[in-house]
Amino acid sequence: AQSVTQPDIHITVSEGASLELRCNYSYGATPYLFWYVQSPGQGLQLLLKYFSGDTLVQGIKGFEAEFKRSQSSFNLRKPSVHWSDAAEYFCAVGADYGQNFVFGPGTRLSVLP
Amino acid sequence: GAVVSQHPSRVICKSGTSVKIECRSLDFQATTMFWYRQFPKQSLMLMATSNEGSKATYEQGVEKDKFLINHASLTLSTLTVTSAHPEDSSFYICSATLTGANVLTFGAGSRLTVL
Repeated sequence: AQSVTQPDIHITVSEGASLELRCNYSYGATPYLFWYVQSPGQGLQLLLKYFSGDTLVQGIKGFEAEFKRSQSSFNLRKPSVHWSDAAEYFCAVGADYGQNFVFGPGTRLSVLP
Repeated sequence: GAVVSQHPSRVICKSGTSVKIECRSLDFQATTMFWYRQFPKQSLMLMATSNEGSKATYEQGVEKDKFLINHASLTLSTLTVTSAHPEDSSFYICSATLTGANVLTFGAGSRLTVL
């Protein structure tokens, strides 16, 4: 069965510092991988996705993620965090867009001024 | 871009009443819609998958008689929480997709509070 783990429940970084959020998945085939962000009381916004091709994926708001098949990882990075990036981040895996996703438990990001 | 609208965004009801939440795809036809439930500070848990014109497929442990899902058209799916109780209070999120079109969009969610 497919699963997603996000080892860090809560991360705190200073504004301007770099960020890496970890995501590991278990899936029988090549997965579709996604990162979503959720602000308090809001729905999900897609940051980026990986289907195939270049393993370094660029997303919105300056985020990027790298797919590493050998490590079953899809870590999210940002070189310089802004206070507005404070939110909950979810990694998700799916067979394709037409199937349901399995979401990771989420990582809450706090940003210090 | 593809937009999914959920309504209402917040609803408060008394215990024992039923509440309907709508999920609409505004600019595309959604052949499949998914309903998720999210408890505070937790991840999203899939409740059911609904395909237009057919019965919803519920995940294990989800009471189909309590959470009624209807997907009568390609742009609308509804989730009705019947005889709601305080433990049904949660954040409910829908997503919609058009098969083969690589489009999957989430709604903004609906927060249900049962008193």
